[in-house]
Amino acid sequence: GDSVTQMEGPVTLSEEAFLTINCTYTATGYPSLFWYVQYPGEGLQLLLKATKADDKGSNKGFEATYRKETTSFHLEKGSVQVSDSAVYFCALSERKLVFGAGTILRVKS
Amino acid sequence: ETGVTQSPTHLIKTRGQQVTLRCSSQSGHNTVSWYQQALGQGPQFIFQYYREEENGRGNFPPRFSGLQFPNYSSELNVNALELDDSALYLCASSTGTSGRFSNEQFFGPGTRLTVL
Repeated sequence: GDSVTQMEGPVTLSEEAFLTINCTYTATGYPSLFWYVQYPGEGLQLLLKATKADDKGSNKGFEATYRKETTSFHLEKGSVQVSDSAVYFCALSERKLVFGAGTILRVKS
Repeated sequence: ETGVTQSPTHLIKTRGQQVTLRCSSQSGHNTVSWYQQALGQGPQFIFQYYREEENGRGNFPPRFSGLQFPNYSSELNVNALELDDSALYLCASSTGTSGRFSNEQFFGPGTRLTVL
């Protein structure tokens, strides 16, 4: 069945460091891909999405490119802030939303 | 525009009891999906309702059931609670069409269920 694998955390970075969170997927068809963010005590918020191969999703300085050849959708940000500390979930959607296990990001000032 | 709301925020039950969780969808949305998020895990799809009919179900036993009402709000019912049912239950609403899973979902803050 469909599945999503994310790099394990926690990822701890200093403010203004470069961020990469790896995400790979397995799917039988052509899913849409998403990154969701969950701040402490809150529900999930859609961060960005891409609906077809080579699409780049971007929002709030975060970017991810849909790579069909490597079945990947890695999340990147050039300069993280303390306020980016949260749990990040990669997900795919065909018949249903399938989430990865999440990656905790901690940014220190 | 009102977002997705869920009630209650927290709930404590004992093994064998039954529980009902509620969700009000975002204005204009006709589809509601429910997810279970165990501690330290990603959300797992339970089921989806579109226009009051179940429109897809994940790998959850029949003691997990749901309803959607004409105003598109929804309930999740869990019978014969087990310790492993302790989790954050998330509701998400979206616009969708029958037979097609909507791509963008808006999540509520969740209900934290603890089963003792």
